[in-house]
Amino acid sequence: SAVISQKPSRDICQRGTSLTIQCQVDSQVTMMFWYRQQPGQSLTLIATANQGSEATYESGFVIDKFPISRPNLTFSTLTVSNMSPEDSSIYLCSVTLRYGANYGYTFGSGTRLTVV
Amino acid sequence: GENVEQHPSTLSVQEGDSAVIKCTYSDSASNYFPWYKQELGKGPQLIIDIRSNVGEKKDQRIAVTLNKTAKHFSLHITETQPEDSAVYFCAALDYKLSFGAGTTVTVRA
Repeated sequence: SAVISQKPSRDICQRGTSLTIQCQVDSQVTMMFWYRQQPGQSLTLIATANQGSEATYESGFVIDKFPISRPNLTFSTLTVSNMSPEDSSIYLCSVTLRYGANYGYTFGSGTRLTVV
Repeated sequence: GENVEQHPSTLSVQEGDSAVIKCTYSDSASNYFPWYKQELGKGPQLIIDIRSNVGEKKDQRIAVTLNKTAKHFSLHITETQPEDSAVYFCAALDYKLSFGAGTTVTVRA
């Protein structure tokens, strides 16, 4: 399975600022995703990162708040913009080699964000 | 969209006993059902998965069963050990992975 490197692993940020999280994969993957895990909660899909085009956002998430880039098959970034304490969460990158049931979905170790 | 329910939310077992976690899903089009283990401070780790054309799968002390008719699937851990203590998440794939709420498993030594 793919190995994911996510940076930073944690950060404490001031409200109103923005943080960009990086996701680097050791092999070319078709699908890259960004998830949010609020404290003590399950995982919620924010968006699918599409190579060379705009990300596909899930209901409740918008590009202005969570801009995503994916310049190639191994790298993506998620920016959390104009942060508030409610954005304090773990943000996780996930990848799969191919869309569908034939391949597993691997997760990075996450970015633990605290907004003060 | 897909809705995944997971029970119980917490589970405490004596070392050596078995643990069972159950999930139900709503979308009959879902065809892939992974289970993840998340330890404190780490990302979710895939421990076992099952596809809709299979009823049961085993990997050492871990097994998963799937009942497509009833739309439920279960994780079974036998001979539990302290290192099995973690949060476990089930998930179902239709066009995206939808996760259950998680089960915190504590194995008492």
